[in-house]
Amino acid sequence: DAGVTQSPTHLIKTRGQHVTLRCSPISGHKSVSWYQQVLGQGPQFIFQYYEKEERGRGNFPDRFSARQFPNYSSELNVNALLLGDSALYLCASSLVYGYTFGSGTRLTVV
Amino acid sequence: GQQVMQIPQYQHVQEGEDFTTYCNSSTTLSNIQWYKQRPGGHPVFLIQLVKSGEVKKQKRLTFQFGEAKKNSSLHITATQTTDVGTYFCAGDTSGSRLTFGEGTQLTVNP
Repeated sequence: DAGVTQSPTHLIKTRGQHVTLRCSPISGHKSVSWYQQVLGQGPQFIFQYYEKEERGRGNFPDRFSARQFPNYSSELNVNALLLGDSALYLCASSLVYGYTFGSGTRLTVV
Repeated sequence: GQQVMQIPQYQHVQEGEDFTTYCNSSTTLSNIQWYKQRPGGHPVFLIQLVKSGEVKKQKRLTFQFGEAKKNSSLHITATQTTDVGTYFCAGDTSGSRLTFGEGTQLTVNP
C-alpha cells in the first residue's frame, strides 16, 4: 500500500504569492491533518479534517486554509506568503491512533 | 494554550550507552505519542500510551506515561548508530490535534 503522498516535494515562492500543497492519505484513512515544521522545532498543528469536515484548527492566521475532498485527499492553501512561512509542511493521516506522516513539502519563501 | 516541554534538547552518546528523553505537558493528556524523525526525514510513529502509569517496551525502547498523565519518558538501552535522529513526544488532549515537544536530537558515536 502507498503511504501518505504529498506534492510537490519542494517549492520556492516569492513573498505575497499564493501556494497550494496537496496530500493523499493512506487508502481507507478518513482523517487528514496538516502540520508546519520550522527547522529545528517540532511540528505545529495547522488543521485536521475528518470526512470533509474541519475538526480542528491551530493557531495560524486566516491566510491558511484547507479542505478535504470526497476521496479524502486534501489541499492546504496559504495566501500572501511571508518569509516566515518557509518551513516543511507535513500531512498526516490516521485510521484509529497514531499518525502516518508524508515526506512533506519543503516551502521556501524568498 | 497547551505546552509540551521536552528535555534535553540534544544528547550525544557513545554507542552502547543508554539514552533517556523526558516530556512534560502543561495539561493532562488523553494520550501521548512518540515519534522519531531521521535527519532530512519525516516523523515516524513509534507508540501511543493511554493509561496512567503505562509502560510499554519495543525491543531496546521503553516508554512510560506518568501517573498524572502529564509526563512521559523514552529510554533506549544500549544505543546503536541506527538510533540516530530526533525523538518527539506529542500530547493529545482533544483527539483532533497533537502538540509536539521541541524534540531531543540524539547522536551516537560509533
